[in-house]
Amino acid sequence: AQSVTQLDSQVPVFEEAPVELRCNYSSSVSVYLFWYVQYPNQGLQLLLKYLSGSTLVESINGFEAEFNKSQTSFHLRKPSVHISDTAEYFCAVSEAQGGSEKLVFGKGTKLTVNP
Amino acid sequence: DAGITQSPRHKVTETGTPVTLRCHQTENHRYMYWYRQDPGHGLRLIHYSYGVKDTDKGEVSDGYSVSRSKTEDFLLTLESATSSQTSVYFCAINAGGAYNEQFFGPGTRLTVL
Repeated sequence: AQSVTQLDSQVPVFEEAPVELRCNYSSSVSVYLFWYVQYPNQGLQLLLKYLSGSTLVESINGFEAEFNKSQTSFHLRKPSVHISDTAEYFCAVSEAQGGSEKLVFGKGTKLTVNP
Repeated sequence: DAGITQSPRHKVTETGTPVTLRCHQTENHRYMYWYRQDPGHGLRLIHYSYGVKDTDKGEVSDGYSVSRSKTEDFLLTLESATSSQTSVYFCAINAGGAYNEQFFGPGTRLTVL
């Protein structure tokens, strides 16, 4: 069975500072990995995904994540955050084999960007 | 926009009453899901469906039932609501095929008094 650990429940940072939100997963098979973002009082939006190929994936708003198979990690980074990045971020994993229909989510990391 | 709507968006009800939440999609995706979101727990899968009349349990299915009589609609029913079912409920569809890339509805905030 898969599992996802988001190591920080809350991350406060100042505007224009860099940030890293950590995600580790556990799985006995190959995986697909996702980061979702939830702005206050909204649903979840897909931020970026790793399916195959390049281990570094990017979003349109400056976030990036790197798949590290040896460390079973998929950390999310941004070199300079904005106030508007304040949100909760969820890491999720799905099995790449066996036709798994389910995503397993981490418990989320609340990013607060302060002026 | 993945064409997912949920109704109602907010509901307050009393312990012991039945409650049905509706999820509607416009794109005929095969897989649909119901999650609940609670502080400190992230998203937990309640039930999911892989076709009309085909459903299966998730990790927190006790106290919930689902039905899918049409491809576009997936209903979640709380037969007798309890205060522990106060939560935000999200519906999702799998638009990514084998990649299981899911897209979410706007959510329903349910309060059970």
